[in-house]
Amino acid sequence: RKEVEQDPGPFNVPEGATVAFNCTYSNSASQSFFWYRQDCRKEPKLLMSVYSSGNEDGRFTAQLNRASQYISLLIRDSKLSDSATYLCVVNPNTGGFKTIFGAGTRLFVKA
Amino acid sequence: GAVVSQHPSWVICKSGTSVKIECRSLDFQATTMFWYRQFPKQSLMLMATSNEGSKATYEQGVEKDKFLINHASLTLSTLTVTSAHPEDSSFYICSAPSVAGYEQYFGPGTRLTVT
Repeated sequence: RKEVEQDPGPFNVPEGATVAFNCTYSNSASQSFFWYRQDCRKEPKLLMSVYSSGNEDGRFTAQLNRASQYISLLIRDSKLSDSATYLCVVNPNTGGFKTIFGAGTRLFVKA
Repeated sequence: GAVVSQHPSWVICKSGTSVKIECRSLDFQATTMFWYRQFPKQSLMLMATSNEGSKATYEQGVEKDKFLINHASLTLSTLTVTSAHPEDSSFYICSAPSVAGYEQYFGPGTRLTVT
């Protein structure tokens, strides 16, 4: 089993749609969770951190379920500019600052 | 926010030559930096952890003699791809953790093409 697994994608959605990404992690001791966004041929950029209480930033909502070892990202009212690859990232708390990346889910938002 | 730079942003080299990529933390010190490789349409793959003042830690399957890492100071880590071959052509990205250690700050990446 991979340490971090994401929906394989790609997701093709029309503008205005709501889309949800799912991610599971294998190490129950993991402490920190993030969603990153990566545009083609660019470095990943932090989209948002994920907290147990859930957090929301505009059209984006991230949630964490520790019991199920599951993380989600919801994007409401999708925009063309949301098209990118979304990476689920976990700090497995194995010492040091090493983080584990999921394979990413590609999103295409179409007009 | 913290900034990490990489140099060069792209490089083309001939097979058999060596290429050095620099990763710098511009406004913070980083005792640890990470090096990733990303092939087209694939995810980031962690290659190694660069440790200031000590040897790098390589991930399984990554040849330490081929990918030389030197973390000479608290703001600079270098990755040297030795005797590069076309299959080494890839997007190489470095990152440094934030002071708290939770967030990763990524460099803009270096695109290596070996002909």
